[in-house]
Amino acid sequence: EIVMTQSPATLSVSPGERATLSCRASQSVSSSLAWYQQKPGQAPRLLIYGASTRAPGIPARFSGSGSGTEFTLAISSLQSEDFAVYYCQHYNSWTFGQGTKVEIK
Amino acid sequence: EVQLAESGGRLVQPGGSLRLSCAASGLTFSSYSMNWVRQAPGKGLEWVSYISSSSSTIYYADSVKGRFTISRDNAKNSLYLQMNSLRVEDTAVYYCARGGYYGDYIAYWGQGTLVTVSS
Repeated sequence: EIVMTQSPATLSVSPGERATLSCRASQSVSSSLAWYQQKPGQAPRLLIYGASTRAPGIPARFSGSGSGTEFTLAISSLQSEDFAVYYCQHYNSWTFGQGTKVEIK
Repeated sequence: EVQLAESGGRLVQPGGSLRLSCAASGLTFSSYSMNWVRQAPGKGLEWVSYISSSSSTIYYADSVKGRFTISRDNAKNSLYLQMNSLRVEDTAVYYCARGGYYGDYIAYWGQGTLVTVSS
């Protein structure tokens, strides 16, 4: 069973600053890694698939990197609409991480 | 525009049954895998079940195996989840979710339907 672990649980960032979120897999998942954004009261939204490919319509300030067991989602300059919860997922086993909440500092 | 609209969620007693439906539009439904994903109140996302485009491959999370059944009707652009022997811990918003073009990530999500299991 693959376990996805996200860190930190909560990230406090000021608008305009860079945010870096981590996702670690308990064993190699190659590049089968997706990132999702969820705002309160809304369904999740796909940001990244294949570890680093932005989904259509996703701004360039979102970038994904990594392979194997270590992955990163970076948001280069946080906008007000980016404060949300972010989930990683190994989609070959459909396993989600527990989420990272990005909050306003 | 891809639209996924879930229905069927309601209050049900423990041990009861419920059938969720998802109506899809704006996509060639028969070309894509589909999933159900749930989210308990205040908690994270939990994948529930997967069905391939032709229904030939189906998977379930261990937490629902033997109690839930996923199915689809490509002629009606619809996805279903039959939920039996419901437990309090099945209480959640259930999302209908479409697979991706390049892999089984979730490209689109519905808005969800709330299932509450309580006596």
